[in-house]
Amino acid sequence: DARVTQTPRHKVTEMGQEVTMRCQPILGHNTVFWYRQTMMQGLELLAYFRNRAPLDDSGMPKDRFSAEMPDATLATLKIQPSEPRDSAVYFCASGSPGLSTDTQYFGPGTRLTVL
Amino acid sequence: AQSVTQPDIHITVSEGASLELRCNYSYGATPYLFWYVQSPGQGLQLLLKYFSGDTLVQGIKGFEAEFKRSQSSFNLRKPSVHWSDAAEYFCAVGASNTGKLIFGQGTTLQVKP
Repeated sequence: DARVTQTPRHKVTEMGQEVTMRCQPILGHNTVFWYRQTMMQGLELLAYFRNRAPLDDSGMPKDRFSAEMPDATLATLKIQPSEPRDSAVYFCASGSPGLSTDTQYFGPGTRLTVL
Repeated sequence: AQSVTQPDIHITVSEGASLELRCNYSYGATPYLFWYVQSPGQGLQLLLKYFSGDTLVQGIKGFEAEFKRSQSSFNLRKPSVHWSDAAEYFCAVGASNTGKLIFGQGTTLQVKP
């Protein structure tokens, strides 16, 4: 049963520290999405990649957030420096537009708490 | 612009009762439509999807949804709700060829015993 995996599942850190979240998309999927979920804002799209190239990162605060895909099996989302307002659940999703017509498969999320 | 509206933020039903969650979308072309469910502390799980063809689609866990183009709606239904269905439900519309999904704000379902 192919799944999107995310690590870590939980992260507690102090303000100013660097945070790196990792995502392994489903093998064969060529599109990866990063979302942030909070009570106030709901589900927000931060960035997404196709064939490892960034297509849209307009939802991401550029000064502190960065997203990369070092290879087809790994996507990373980094926050440096972290702030308390970054506390949220971060989801990764993968899909293959054209093959599965926009269906996205979500990982379990990383719950980030910044103190 | 594409958008999705879920008019009900919170719904409470009794176990065994029927359920309908509303979803309205705005999209210029034929939409791809989805319903996802999120249990507490979990990621989003795909319940069902509509791309074309039969406007009544069946999903997992006994859910179904009906696409009504004239009403721009894609409402989710279940004939008899179980306590385990308590969760948050998200409707989404896909922008073809981009892979992006536009999500509604979600509807929280509470099930009374």
